[in-house]
Amino acid sequence: DGGITQSPKYLFRKEGQNVTLSCEQNLNHDAMYWYRQDPGQGLRLIYYSQIVNDFQKGDIAEGYSVSREKKESFPLTVTSAQKNPTAFYLCASSIIVEGGPQAFFGQGTRLTVV
Amino acid sequence: AQSVAQPEDQVNVAEGNPLTVKCTYSVSGNPYLFWYVQYPNRGLQFLLKYITGDNLVKGSYGFEAEFNKSQTSFHLKKPSALVSDSALYFCAVRPGGGFKTIFGAGTRLFVKA
Repeated sequence: DGGITQSPKYLFRKEGQNVTLSCEQNLNHDAMYWYRQDPGQGLRLIYYSQIVNDFQKGDIAEGYSVSREKKESFPLTVTSAQKNPTAFYLCASSIIVEGGPQAFFGQGTRLTVV
Repeated sequence: AQSVAQPEDQVNVAEGNPLTVKCTYSVSGNPYLFWYVQYPNRGLQFLLKYITGDNLVKGSYGFEAEFNKSQTSFHLKKPSALVSDSALYFCAVRPGGGFKTIFGAGTRLFVKA
């Protein structure tokens, strides 16, 4: 089945730790995105990538890092510099075409600081 | 500033009644508009989108949305609500010519049997 796979589903981080969230897609999409979801705030864009080996900061990139070494993969690292990392993280992908293609979302990773 | 507003945090409707979830936007240029639905602890699922053409857009699960350019609105509607429609609904807009999508804060829909 085609789709986006995020892992793990739940992740616990200790203070000062870096953690990496995995996102893999087999849809052959060029564009990939990471969003953070907090209650009552909708989705906020962390990073996005339109092509391998290139990515851009979104609206809340501080304390996060990404890589795009393969078209299929777009891992997100939550660093110790992110002061409030507890949230639901969503990865998405889309084709790149004029006209606003819809995004396909993974099932999300819930990160909790313990 | 470019933004999307969903003025209702929650909408309650009885099963079988029509439902409306409101969305207004403020972006430059001609926007591309979307509705997504999210079930608990899941990712978002695409419902429908407006790109151009007919102002009434039909989507998945019997949902439809009406684009109103003068009121800068894109309200989601369904003629007859089901209990299974209970979920969190997000309106989203991509400014024309842009790459980033802006999401509203979401509206929680409760359909009572």
